[in-house]
Amino acid sequence: EIVLTQSPATLSLSPGERATLSCRASQSVSSYLAWYQQKPGQAPRLLIYDASNRATGIPARFSGSGSGTDFTLTISSLEPEDFAVYYCQQRRNWDTWTFGQGTKVEIK
Amino acid sequence: DVQLLESGGGLVQPGGSLRLSCAASGFTFNTYAMGWVRQAPGKGLEWVAGIRDSGTTTTYADSVRGRITISRDNSKNTLYLQMNTLRVEDTAIYYCAKEPQYCSRNSCYFDYWGQGTLVTVSS
Repeated sequence: EIVLTQSPATLSLSPGERATLSCRASQSVSSYLAWYQQKPGQAPRLLIYDASNRATGIPARFSGSGSGTDFTLTISSLEPEDFAVYYCQQRRNWDTWTFGQGTKVEIK
Repeated sequence: DVQLLESGGGLVQPGGSLRLSCAASGFTFNTYAMGWVRQAPGKGLEWVAGIRDSGTTTTYADSVRGRITISRDNSKNTLYLQMNTLRVEDTAIYYCAKEPQYCSRNSCYFDYWGQGTLVTVSS
Protein backbone atom coordinates (compact mmCIF):
# COMPACT_ATOMS: atom_id res chain seq x y z
CA GLU A 1 0.00 0.00 0.00
CA ILE A 2 1.25 3.43 -0.93
CA VAL A 3 1.41 5.96 1.89
CA LEU A 4 1.11 9.66 1.08
CA THR A 5 2.75 12.00 3.60
CA GLN A 6 1.88 15.68 3.45
CA SER A 7 3.94 18.47 4.95
CA PRO A 8 3.71 20.69 6.77
CA ALA A 9 0.63 19.81 8.77
CA THR A 10 -0.19 23.49 9.12
CA LEU A 11 1.00 26.45 7.08
CA SER A 12 0.47 29.93 8.55
CA LEU A 13 0.61 32.62 5.90
CA SER A 14 -0.84 36.03 5.07
CA PRO A 15 -2.99 36.91 2.06
CA GLY A 16 -0.80 37.64 -0.93
CA GLU A 17 1.94 35.27 0.16
CA ARG A 18 3.04 32.17 -1.73
CA ALA A 19 2.05 28.77 -0.35
CA THR A 20 4.06 25.64 -1.04
CA LEU A 21 2.57 22.32 0.03
CA SER A 22 4.34 18.99 -0.21
CA CYS A 23 3.10 15.43 -0.75
CA ARG A 24 5.54 12.54 -0.65
CA ALA A 25 4.64 9.01 -1.76
CA SER A 26 6.21 5.93 -0.17
CA GLN A 27 6.89 4.57 -3.65
CA SER A 28 6.75 5.97 -7.16
CA VAL A 29 3.30 6.91 -8.45
CA SER A 30 4.61 8.31 -11.72
CA SER A 31 2.61 11.50 -12.35
CA TYR A 32 -0.66 10.08 -11.06
CA LEU A 33 -1.45 12.39 -8.17
CA ALA A 34 -4.41 14.64 -7.48
CA TRP A 35 -4.94 17.55 -5.10
CA TYR A 36 -8.17 18.65 -3.44
CA GLN A 37 -9.23 21.68 -1.44
CA GLN A 38 -11.70 21.41 1.42
CA LYS A 39 -13.23 24.34 3.27
CA PRO A 40 -15.02 23.93 6.63
CA GLY A 41 -18.44 22.38 6.21
CA GLN A 42 -17.93 21.76 2.51
CA ALA A 43 -17.11 18.80 0.31
CA PRO A 44 -13.65 18.45 -1.18
CA ARG A 45 -13.08 20.12 -4.55
CA LEU A 46 -10.71 18.81 -7.19
CA LEU A 47 -7.88 21.27 -7.92
CA ILE A 48 -5.19 19.34 -9.77
CA TYR A 49 -5.07 15.93 -11.46
CA ASP A 50 -2.19 13.96 -12.93
CA ALA A 51 0.20 16.08 -10.88
CA SER A 52 0.00 19.28 -12.90
CA ASN A 53 -3.33 19.62 -14.71
CA ARG A 54 -5.75 22.17 -13.31
CA ALA A 55 -9.34 21.02 -13.03
CA THR A 56 -12.12 22.93 -14.72
CA GLY A 57 -12.64 26.38 -13.26
CA ILE A 58 -9.57 26.34 -11.02
CA PRO A 59 -7.72 29.67 -10.98
CA ALA A 60 -4.25 29.88 -12.49
CA ARG A 61 -2.71 30.77 -9.12
CA PHE A 62 -2.96 27.06 -8.28
CA SER A 63 -0.28 24.89 -9.82
CA GLY A 64 0.99 21.39 -9.28
CA SER A 65 4.33 19.82 -10.02
CA GLY A 66 6.36 16.70 -9.39
CA SER A 67 6.65 13.09 -10.40
CA GLY A 68 7.76 9.84 -8.89
CA THR A 69 7.58 10.31 -5.13
CA ASP A 70 7.71 14.07 -4.58
CA PHE A 71 4.92 16.47 -5.45
CA THR A 72 4.17 20.10 -4.76
CA LEU A 73 1.02 22.20 -4.79
CA THR A 74 1.78 25.90 -5.11
CA ILE A 75 -0.60 28.78 -4.58
CA SER A 76 1.21 31.74 -6.06
CA SER A 77 -0.57 34.50 -4.13
CA LEU A 78 -3.04 33.54 -1.43
CA GLU A 79 -6.54 34.92 -1.69
CA PRO A 80 -8.79 35.02 1.39
CA GLU A 81 -10.87 32.12 0.00
CA ASP A 82 -7.78 29.89 -0.30
CA PHE A 83 -7.45 29.31 3.44
CA ALA A 84 -8.56 25.70 3.73
CA VAL A 85 -7.29 22.14 4.07
CA TYR A 86 -5.57 20.53 1.10
CA TYR A 87 -5.31 16.80 0.42
CA CYS A 88 -3.29 14.80 -2.06
CA GLN A 89 -4.62 11.50 -3.43
CA GLN A 90 -3.52 8.54 -5.51
CA ARG A 91 -5.12 5.35 -6.80
CA ARG A 92 -3.28 2.09 -7.34
CA ASN A 93 -4.25 -1.17 -9.12
CA TRP A 94 -7.86 -0.09 -9.69
CA ASP A 95 -8.91 -0.66 -6.09
CA THR A 96 -6.57 1.05 -3.65
CA TRP A 97 -7.23 4.72 -3.10
CA THR A 98 -5.02 6.69 -0.73
CA PHE A 99 -5.31 10.22 0.62
CA GLY A 100 -2.66 12.18 2.44
CA GLN A 101 -3.48 13.37 5.94
CA GLY A 102 -3.95 16.97 4.80
CA THR A 103 -2.25 20.35 5.13
CA LYS A 104 -4.17 23.20 6.70
CA VAL A 105 -3.40 26.63 5.27
CA GLU A 106 -4.38 29.17 7.92
CA ILE A 107 -4.28 32.93 8.16
CA LYS A 108 -1.23 34.20 10.00
CA ASP B 1 -24.33 21.05 -14.08
CA VAL B 2 -23.26 17.88 -12.31
CA GLN B 3 -25.14 17.38 -9.07
CA LEU B 4 -24.77 14.63 -6.48
CA LEU B 5 -27.22 14.60 -3.60
CA GLU B 6 -26.72 12.16 -0.75
CA SER B 7 -29.40 11.08 1.69
CA GLY B 8 -30.08 8.38 4.24
CA GLY B 9 -27.68 9.31 7.00
CA GLY B 10 -28.66 9.40 10.63
CA LEU B 11 -28.13 7.97 14.09
CA VAL B 12 -27.86 4.20 14.38
CA GLN B 13 -26.82 1.88 17.18
CA PRO B 14 -23.69 -0.27 16.95
CA GLY B 15 -24.48 -3.42 15.01
CA GLY B 16 -27.26 -1.69 13.10
CA SER B 17 -27.74 -1.04 9.40
CA LEU B 18 -28.26 1.96 7.17
CA ARG B 19 -28.61 2.53 3.44
CA LEU B 20 -27.25 5.68 1.89
CA SER B 21 -28.41 6.98 -1.48
CA CYS B 22 -26.85 9.41 -3.92
CA ALA B 23 -29.05 10.93 -6.62
CA ALA B 24 -27.05 12.01 -9.64
CA SER B 25 -27.97 14.51 -12.33
CA GLY B 26 -26.37 16.64 -15.00
CA PHE B 27 -24.37 13.85 -16.63
CA THR B 28 -24.88 10.45 -18.24
CA PHE B 29 -24.78 8.44 -15.04
CA ASN B 30 -24.48 4.98 -16.59
CA THR B 31 -21.19 5.85 -18.30
CA TYR B 32 -19.23 6.85 -15.19
CA ALA B 33 -17.68 4.94 -12.32
CA MET B 34 -18.61 6.23 -8.88
CA GLY B 35 -17.36 5.96 -5.35
CA TRP B 36 -17.97 6.71 -1.68
CA VAL B 37 -15.46 8.55 0.50
CA ARG B 38 -15.92 9.20 4.21
CA GLN B 39 -14.55 11.65 6.72
CA ALA B 40 -14.67 11.02 10.44
CA PRO B 41 -15.22 14.11 12.61
CA GLY B 42 -12.13 16.30 12.52
CA LYS B 43 -10.21 13.75 10.47
CA GLY B 44 -9.02 13.27 6.89
CA LEU B 45 -10.54 11.59 3.87
CA GLU B 46 -10.88 7.82 3.56
CA TRP B 47 -12.00 6.03 0.41
CA VAL B 48 -14.70 3.46 1.20
CA ALA B 49 -15.91 1.78 -1.99
CA GLY B 50 -16.12 2.07 -5.76
CA ILE B 51 -18.26 0.72 -8.57
CA ARG B 52 -17.77 0.64 -12.32
CA ASP B 53 -20.25 2.20 -14.73
CA SER B 54 -22.13 -1.02 -15.42
CA GLY B 55 -22.22 -2.00 -11.76
CA THR B 56 -20.62 -5.36 -12.42
CA THR B 57 -17.33 -4.55 -10.67
CA THR B 58 -17.08 -3.28 -7.10
CA THR B 59 -14.11 -2.57 -4.84
CA TYR B 60 -13.85 -1.93 -1.11
CA ALA B 61 -11.48 -0.62 1.51
CA ASP B 62 -10.23 -3.30 3.87
CA SER B 63 -11.85 -1.46 6.79
CA VAL B 64 -15.35 -2.04 5.42
CA ARG B 65 -15.11 -5.14 3.24
CA GLY B 66 -17.75 -7.69 4.19
CA ARG B 67 -19.92 -5.15 6.03
CA ILE B 68 -20.64 -2.59 3.32
CA THR B 69 -22.04 -3.06 -0.20
CA ILE B 70 -21.96 -0.50 -2.97
CA SER B 71 -24.51 -0.72 -5.77
CA ARG B 72 -26.19 1.42 -8.38
CA ASP B 73 -29.45 1.63 -10.27
CA ASN B 74 -28.66 3.19 -13.62
CA SER B 75 -32.36 3.42 -14.49
CA LYS B 76 -32.80 5.73 -11.48
CA ASN B 77 -29.44 7.55 -11.73
CA THR B 78 -28.80 6.56 -8.14
CA LEU B 79 -25.82 5.20 -6.22
CA TYR B 80 -26.24 3.27 -2.96
CA LEU B 81 -24.20 2.24 0.03
CA GLN B 82 -25.66 -0.52 2.19
CA MET B 83 -23.98 -0.45 5.58
CA ASN B 84 -24.39 -3.40 7.94
CA THR B 85 -22.90 -4.33 11.31
CA LEU B 86 -22.04 -0.72 11.89
CA ARG B 87 -19.33 0.20 14.36
CA VAL B 88 -18.65 3.37 16.32
CA GLU B 89 -15.63 3.97 14.09
CA ASP B 90 -17.90 4.13 11.03
CA THR B 91 -19.16 7.49 12.29
CA ALA B 92 -18.39 9.97 9.52
CA ILE B 93 -19.71 12.17 6.77
CA TYR B 94 -20.15 9.98 3.70
CA TYR B 95 -19.54 11.63 0.34
CA CYS B 96 -20.66 10.33 -3.01
CA ALA B 97 -18.13 11.14 -5.74
CA LYS B 98 -17.86 10.78 -9.50
CA GLU B 99 -14.84 9.57 -11.44
CA PRO B 100 -13.89 11.24 -14.74
CA GLN B 101 -14.48 9.54 -18.07
CA TYR B 102 -10.97 8.19 -18.49
CA CYS B 103 -9.25 6.52 -15.59
CA SER B 104 -6.49 3.99 -15.85
CA ARG B 105 -5.31 1.31 -13.47
CA ASN B 106 -3.09 3.68 -11.51
CA SER B 107 -4.54 7.03 -12.44
CA CYS B 108 -7.86 8.21 -11.18
CA TYR B 109 -9.45 10.88 -9.06
CA PHE B 110 -12.89 12.28 -8.22
CA ASP B 111 -13.94 15.28 -10.27
CA TYR B 112 -17.27 15.95 -8.54
CA TRP B 113 -18.44 15.41 -4.97
CA GLY B 114 -21.77 15.59 -3.21
CA GLN B 115 -22.24 17.58 -0.02
CA GLY B 116 -22.25 14.48 2.13
CA THR B 117 -24.54 12.79 4.62
CA LEU B 118 -23.66 12.26 8.27
CA VAL B 119 -23.75 8.78 9.77
CA THR B 120 -23.47 8.58 13.53
CA VAL B 121 -23.04 5.18 15.18
CA SER B 122 -23.66 5.42 18.89
CA SER B 123 -25.58 3.73 21.65
